[in-house]
Amino acid sequence: KAGVTQTPRYLIKTRGQQVTLSCSPISGHRSVSWYQQTPGQGLQFLFEYFSETQRNKGNFPGRFSGRQFSNSRSEMNVSTLELGDSALYLCASSLGSTGGSYGYTFGSGTRLTVV
Amino acid sequence: DQQVKQNSPSLSVQEGRISILNCDYTNSMFDYFLWYKKYPAEGPTFLISISSIKDKNEDGRFTVFLNKSAKHLSLHIVPSQPGDSAVYFCAASLGGSQGNLIFGKGTKLSVKP
Repeated sequence: KAGVTQTPRYLIKTRGQQVTLSCSPISGHRSVSWYQQTPGQGLQFLFEYFSETQRNKGNFPGRFSGRQFSNSRSEMNVSTLELGDSALYLCASSLGSTGGSYGYTFGSGTRLTVV
Repeated sequence: DQQVKQNSPSLSVQEGRISILNCDYTNSMFDYFLWYKKYPAEGPTFLISISSIKDKNEDGRFTVFLNKSAKHLSLHIVPSQPGDSAVYFCAASLGGSQGNLIFGKGTKLSVKP
């Protein structure tokens, strides 16, 4: 079956712009989480959606937002981009509402570069 | 405050030998611990997990050990193969409505032929 699909794979944006990243989870998976990976901070949790509701949010500013649609597809948006937002953004999906017991399946990520 | 720590940024092992990757945590409320492997330019791949009520879980060449009193877990890979060379992340889950994973910063494993 198809894995977690993230689009686009690469993106270059200018400071101050906004960006929208997309994630299609594995069919049947209802939980979608987003993570930011940077060399200095590692993998950091952004937010998690389950059945179109944000269930959990990490410690990121309000410029980072997301949503989940009825088909479980998810988007995340970053407004007023800063240089420090350059990172690999990873989406992960899971069958259940708790990723620990099922494990999350990650997509290949979107590499965002802010110039 | 890092709740999940991988204190060794890198590890080098000879092919055929055992690789032991370590992870320490601070939150006794974690209900699951997971190990992920990551190649460059790819997302992490789930390897193996262990419930906090167990002390060992085995899957082929991979075994995870959990020592709750020491708040320590380790991943053993036996025998190590060159294809195992990657960055390994330890992660922990709080469960319930906290459906997110807390990751360590990773250990880069190099398996030399």
